[in-house]
Amino acid sequence: QQPVQSPQAVILREGEDAVINCSSSKALYSVHWYRQKHGEAPVFLMILLKGGEQKGHEKISASFNEKKQQSSLYLTASQLSYSGTYFCGRVGGGSNYKLTFGKGTLLTVNP
Amino acid sequence: DAGITQSPRHKVTETGTPVTLRCHQTENHRYMYWYRQDPGHGLRLIHYSYGVKDTDKGEVSDGYSVSRSKTEDFLLTLESATSSQTSVYFCAITGVGPSGTYEQYFGPGTRLTVT
Repeated sequence: QQPVQSPQAVILREGEDAVINCSSSKALYSVHWYRQKHGEAPVFLMILLKGGEQKGHEKISASFNEKKQQSSLYLTASQLSYSGTYFCGRVGGGSNYKLTFGKGTLLTVNP
Repeated sequence: DAGITQSPRHKVTETGTPVTLRCHQTENHRYMYWYRQDPGHGLRLIHYSYGVKDTDKGEVSDGYSVSRSKTEDFLLTLESATSSQTSVYFCAITGVGPSGTYEQYFGPGTRLTVT
């Protein structure tokens, strides 16, 4: 079952902040975040492995609450280059590194 | 760059014809995946492989088969293409990133149109 992402779309002005949420009805062992620009392949941003852990990538950070089975991606002082579709990917149990992706959140940053 | 190529990059085919998409990797990764991407659905796993001749189904495997006879090649076959299989297909591998965690890297994608 796909994780649920919210919001589906968000429009920002350069310099504004945004939060993208990812929740799962199934157990989350780890969460991956990817960004995909139009017409391109998804690109790995970060992986969250432990409950409550936060990671960062430039001005993008994320948290993972294992108990609530939720992850959030925080984009701070957004830049035009942040525009794209963001996907979270859930890894369940097992060892085959099988990812189930959410449907994505379209982020548009305007000047 | 994880050394992943896909061929063809674009293909138009007719309903009922068989189609094979190829994914090639140069870095000896064990795990390989095929996804399809459609508007409103995100990325959905079709099949994956965890070694030569070892494959398993994903969430949308009906109408697709795969084969992996060599580590570097993972083939996706549509036995009899249908219009519902019009999509963008991505191949991916799992590799170890700079921080030592397992990350998925995607190929450039194949745009398939079934008329």
